[in-house]
Amino acid sequence: EVQLVESGGGLVKPGGSLRLSCAASGFTFNNVWMSWVRQAPGKGLEWVGRIKSTTDGGTTDYAAPVKGRFTISRDDIKNLLFLQMNSLKTEDTAVYYCIRVILGGTSDYWGRGTLVTVSS
Amino acid sequence: IVMTQSPLSLPVTPGEPASISCRSSQSLLYSNGHSYLDWYLQRPGQSPQLLIYLGSTRASGVPDRFSGSGSGTDFTLKISRVEAEDVGVYYCMQALQAPHTFGQGTKLQIK
Repeated sequence: EVQLVESGGGLVKPGGSLRLSCAASGFTFNNVWMSWVRQAPGKGLEWVGRIKSTTDGGTTDYAAPVKGRFTISRDDIKNLLFLQMNSLKTEDTAVYYCIRVILGGTSDYWGRGTLVTVSS
Repeated sequence: IVMTQSPLSLPVTPGEPASISCRSSQSLLYSNGHSYLDWYLQRPGQSPQLLIYLGSTRASGVPDRFSGSGSGTDFTLKISRVEAEDVGVYYCMQALQAPHTFGQGTKLQIK
């Protein structure tokens, strides 16, 4: 059974940093592209970024609002996905979902999400 | 690529059909003949789930009352007979190129 479990969310002050983790299981992690999507309270879904599989180069792409501040990485040995968030802003407050990519940008499995609150 | 959904709110009587439109600012048609358009449903309090990908392919386990159609820039999600469990917010998303983008969401409610 595919499982994606996010952790690392919490309360952080504007300008601060936070690192989210996603533990993946039930599939061959190193063959798969992975993404992060976020959802601000009461708002819609916003794509954050993705990382290709290591065999496909392990390159990353980001949405404009987070480019230069957020970094996605992966540990294929431990089946972990990371989202390093720096220079956090109040508008980064959201539930962050870890998702498995199957085709282009299509995602077939989503984690339950972890809440990040940026507030002074 | 900007994704635009309509309507944003959709009250439906159980057993009746429902339809949601999604339009993209650029063609989502790839050279392989497929349009890279997904539909997701987010039920209240839950994570989103994949319903339709490549414009018209139902994801595993999705009931056949859900169907997707369209190509290029205009797409439609249809529910043949709405059931109570279909309540939630429906999102289209372009899966063609990064950064991937979602529509604003359509909230389906039961009358």
